[in-house]
Amino acid sequence: GQNIDQPTEMTATEGAIVQINCTYQTSGFNGLFWYQQHAGEAPTFLSYNVLDGLEEKGRFSSFLSRSKGYSYLLLKELQMKDSASYLCAVRSLMDSNYQLIWGAGTKLIIKP
Amino acid sequence: ETGVTQTPRHLVMGMTNKKSLKCEQHLGHNAMYWYKQSAKKPLELMFVYNFKEQTENNSVPSRFSPECPNSSHLFLHLHTLQPEDSALYLCASSQAQTETQYFGPGTRLLVL
Repeated sequence: GQNIDQPTEMTATEGAIVQINCTYQTSGFNGLFWYQQHAGEAPTFLSYNVLDGLEEKGRFSSFLSRSKGYSYLLLKELQMKDSASYLCAVRSLMDSNYQLIWGAGTKLIIKP
Repeated sequence: ETGVTQTPRHLVMGMTNKKSLKCEQHLGHNAMYWYKQSAKKPLELMFVYNFKEQTENNSVPSRFSPECPNSSHLFLHLHTLQPEDSALYLCASSQAQTETQYFGPGTRLLVL
């Protein structure tokens, strides 16, 4: 079956670094996405990885290991506004159709 | 407005009511999606439209009826809903089904 696992909730301190992990078991892997969703708002696109390695974008970085079925989102210099849910999603190609398989999201709480 | 917009933002309806959710994208995209988001659960894909044609219906009950009159507009018609249908309904669009999806702010639905 297709499955994505990520921690339900994490807490971190303002100014610190936090790593949010995502593991997946899917067939037809065709890329992994990270989205940020503030409470009551739309999910917004953060990053996309299709090849192994680290993609850096300002304070946020995303890593992928396809052989391990593993990704993480790294947030540096945490700010209070980073308090949100972070959604991991894997794009899978099956029967000539692309579909996104979503994790349940990790709620990140930033404390002063 | 830019991006993906949804109306209404909040909706309370009885089980015998009929209502419609509206989504509009101003991005020139060709694919549009309806998702259901329940607390602490992964996003559930409901319907996919590509160039106004429905390409996916993920075993959604017939009390949910989508309509896509053109590539910029998507509706979700609701009738005789159940309390368990209470959730956040998100609309998204992408240039193609292989591209990154961009989300609207959602409609928070409560069925009494």
